[in-house]
Amino acid sequence: QKEVEQNSGPLSVPEGAIASLNCTYSDRGSQSFFWYRQYSGKSPELIMSIYSNGDKEDGRFTAQLNKASQYVSLLIRDSQPSDSATYLCAVPDSNYQLIWGAGTKLIIKP
Amino acid sequence: ETGVTQSPTHLIKTRGQQVTLRCSSQSGHNTVSWYQQALGQGPQFIFQYYREEENGRGNFPPRFSGLQFPNYSSELNVNALELDDSALYLCASSQGGGQITGELFFGEGSRLTVL
Repeated sequence: QKEVEQNSGPLSVPEGAIASLNCTYSDRGSQSFFWYRQYSGKSPELIMSIYSNGDKEDGRFTAQLNKASQYVSLLIRDSQPSDSATYLCAVPDSNYQLIWGAGTKLIIKP
Repeated sequence: ETGVTQSPTHLIKTRGQQVTLRCSSQSGHNTVSWYQQALGQGPQFIFQYYREEENGRGNFPPRFSGLQFPNYSSELNVNALELDDSALYLCASSQGGGQITGELFFGEGSRLTVL
């Protein structure tokens, strides 16, 4: 069974600081990786995708991928209280499904 | 552009009953997948539909079944409900053409409570 692992948290970060979220995956053949944000009581929303080793930046968000070490990270710069949510890492398995981590709960303290 | 809509948003059933959940996919999306999300867990893949046929299934028993209609909308049916079926059921649509894509658009979910 292929797995995606995340620290469940909660991760508490002061407002304005950098939040760093990590995800490891078991399948060395994985080629694409996705970060979703889920607010309490809401559905997941895609915020970042990354396909190549290195960094990908989108506004305050940066995804980092290291295939050799089988981990993918999400950095959130200048954290805002509105960033408080659960962040889910997802990795495609077969042709038909994503394998999801359990999510990391992020709390941004004003 | 119309997003993914699900109904009902909340429902309560008793053990042994049957339930049908409905989903309208986002305009232009031809693939629909269903997920079960228990409290504090990530979504678990139930199955995917493309061209009105199931073309992928996770580790769920046959009492979980579905349909996709010509307009790409979909239903999830669960028979013989068990207490552990209590969860948020998420419908996601994509333009994957039946293939995997991580770019999913979720509806707001149907929260099922089984008593």
